[in-house]
Amino acid sequence: ILNVEQSPQSLHVQEGDSTNFTCSFPSSNFYALHWYRWETAKSPEALFVMTLNGDEKKKGRISATLNTKEGYSYLYIKGSQPEDSATYLCAPTNAGGTSYGKLTFGQGTILTVHP
Amino acid sequence: DGGITQSPKYLFRKEGQNVTLSCEQNLNHDAMYWYRQDPGQGLRLIYYSQIVNDFQKGDIAEGYSVSREKKESFPLTVTSAQKNPTAFYLCASREHRDTEAFFGQGTRLTVV
Repeated sequence: ILNVEQSPQSLHVQEGDSTNFTCSFPSSNFYALHWYRWETAKSPEALFVMTLNGDEKKKGRISATLNTKEGYSYLYIKGSQPEDSATYLCAPTNAGGTSYGKLTFGQGTILTVHP
Repeated sequence: DGGITQSPKYLFRKEGQNVTLSCEQNLNHDAMYWYRQDPGQGLRLIYYSQIVNDFQKGDIAEGYSVSREKKESFPLTVTSAQKNPTAFYLCASREHRDTEAFFGQGTRLTVV
């Protein structure tokens, strides 16, 4: 089992606050790191797929950074809005071996943004 | 419209019966995945397939079986050997290892 840890498990913020959460994963044999947003009553949707150490990606108010050497990624949300309330999932993938193509998710961070 | 279709949305079965969940995609994706979600837990990988006629066990494969006879279809059978089958099941696909996954709407299975 690929050991993926996300923290915190849940987070409550006020509208307008900026927030961030972490995804930790084994750094050996790393290939890519996925971030998804899962809103209630909807299907998970991809935010980013990151592969390069030091990579930063941005989509609107959401951005992510990646450190493959130490095995972590941060997801940032600037000026949180109630519509950002969702579960945020990360999934690292391996370069090869027996788990080639495997997509294993962390437990997720549940974000609630209060108006 | 391209996408992933899971059917049915809700499924009820009696204990001891096998049940098959459908997952069809018209995205021409090579890889397909089955996940299970229980209340308060994340997505756990049951089985995945990188190519037609090949599939691998995920982290919780016991009590489940799959087939991948066609590129667009990846049905999941929940067998009577699965001790706690009641859960929400999600199917996903992706084009290849460099791309993001797309998910179906899910099937909520209740075994009584």
